[in-house]
Amino acid sequence: KQEVTQIPAALSVPEGENLVLNCSFTDSAIYNLQWFRQDPGKGLTSLLLIQSSQREQTSGRLNASLDKSSGRSTLYIAASQPGDSATYLCAVTGEWGGSEKLVFGKGTKLTVNP
Amino acid sequence: DTGVSQDPRHKITKRGQNVTFRCDPISEHNRLYWYRQTLGQGPEFLTYFQNEAQLEKSRLLSDRFSAERPKGSFSTLEIQRTEQGDSAMYLCASSSTGAFVGELFFGEGSRLTVL
Repeated sequence: KQEVTQIPAALSVPEGENLVLNCSFTDSAIYNLQWFRQDPGKGLTSLLLIQSSQREQTSGRLNASLDKSSGRSTLYIAASQPGDSATYLCAVTGEWGGSEKLVFGKGTKLTVNP
Repeated sequence: DTGVSQDPRHKITKRGQNVTFRCDPISEHNRLYWYRQTLGQGPEFLTYFQNEAQLEKSRLLSDRFSAERPKGSFSTLEIQRTEQGDSAMYLCASSSTGAFVGELFFGEGSRLTVL
């Protein structure tokens, strides 16, 4: 059974700081890994999707890396801003149980203080 | 296109009542998913449709839950005889057949509170 763990559960940083969020998964037979952002009481917005054959993806101040063999991914946020405050969720897909579904971690709640 | 739309956004009900949520996917998307998210947890898969066919149901979807997508467009998720443990955010997502696996577009969710 695929399990996804995110560390830390919560993180508070001052504005401008660079930070790293961590995600680990137990079954390396994934199709891809995705990082989502979720604002309080809202749905999920996809930030970056890394295919299993890729090592990293970048979008603006965000960079996500994937080490499939070790079951780890990191999301790097450069020059954090108060608007980055949200919960960040990591999810993987793979053919578990014969279907393709997203398996999520519990998320990291990020607070960026002005 | 305004994205995935869910209604109602919030529902408060008493235990034992029935509730129904509606999801309108992005118009050209033929795949539709329902996930449930409880407080402090990540979303968990409930069920998945391709067009009007329900292709998979999670064991989380007890017999009190039923989902339909009658014409392959909008979908409804009904919960009968609600229990306090049903309190959660119910998220709908859609995708197209040609998209990457897992490339889902999520709605804003329907939050259910069972008193």
